[in-house]
Amino acid sequence: NAGVTQTPKFQVLKTGQSMTLQCAQDMNHEYMSWYRQDPGMGLRLIHYSVGAGITDQGEVPNGYNVSRSTTEDFPLRLLSAAPSQTSVYFCASSHNTPDPRGSGELFFGEGSRLTVL
Amino acid sequence: ELKVEQNPLFLSMQEGKNYTIYCNYSTTSDRLYWYRQDPGKSLESLFVLLSNGAVKQEGRLMASLDTKARLSTLHITAAVHDLSATYFCAVDPMEYGNKLVFGAGTILRVKS
Repeated sequence: NAGVTQTPKFQVLKTGQSMTLQCAQDMNHEYMSWYRQDPGMGLRLIHYSVGAGITDQGEVPNGYNVSRSTTEDFPLRLLSAAPSQTSVYFCASSHNTPDPRGSGELFFGEGSRLTVL
Repeated sequence: ELKVEQNPLFLSMQEGKNYTIYCNYSTTSDRLYWYRQDPGKSLESLFVLLSNGAVKQEGRLMASLDTKARLSTLHITAAVHDLSATYFCAVDPMEYGNKLVFGAGTILRVKS
């Protein structure tokens, strides 16, 4: 049981480049999400998904794209990287709430540190 | 829109002392979570509080939830250096899914 797996752990991009951050979970969670973490701002929700084929925007979605073709995978795409997207990105999953199977506790991946030059 | 405020944002304390971190939120919810993050690491779940009056304790940490006051506290008893970390509270906005809204985090430094 690996939990939530993110790749890559580190990435450096040039402005205008595109890339995909990968996220996979093996806990059969319906809910998956992407957050970005910036100093002094906590974690802010980028996009989320309540199940395969369903995605929606969070608080800071601009410049990012997601898809959810399977329950296990939830990749985050940066379409044209900008320096403002330099951040640490966390993928997280849980059962949807309310749900008797779980407490709604989010399980986090190890994070992906992205630098855009 | 749900807002979550933590205070203090930075806390430097001596070993052996007690202190409390506060988490206020702006709209009705009865699901609140506390996480710990060590530098360069992921977030680790500490406490899950799912009803008014809920109290959870683990070692030197105790968390409580008052949904009427929209307030949670994380109390540290007799701090030790190993508790140095960043602590986040997160609140469920009670919409379908689990779109937790996080506070800015409290950086705790325990000095020996």
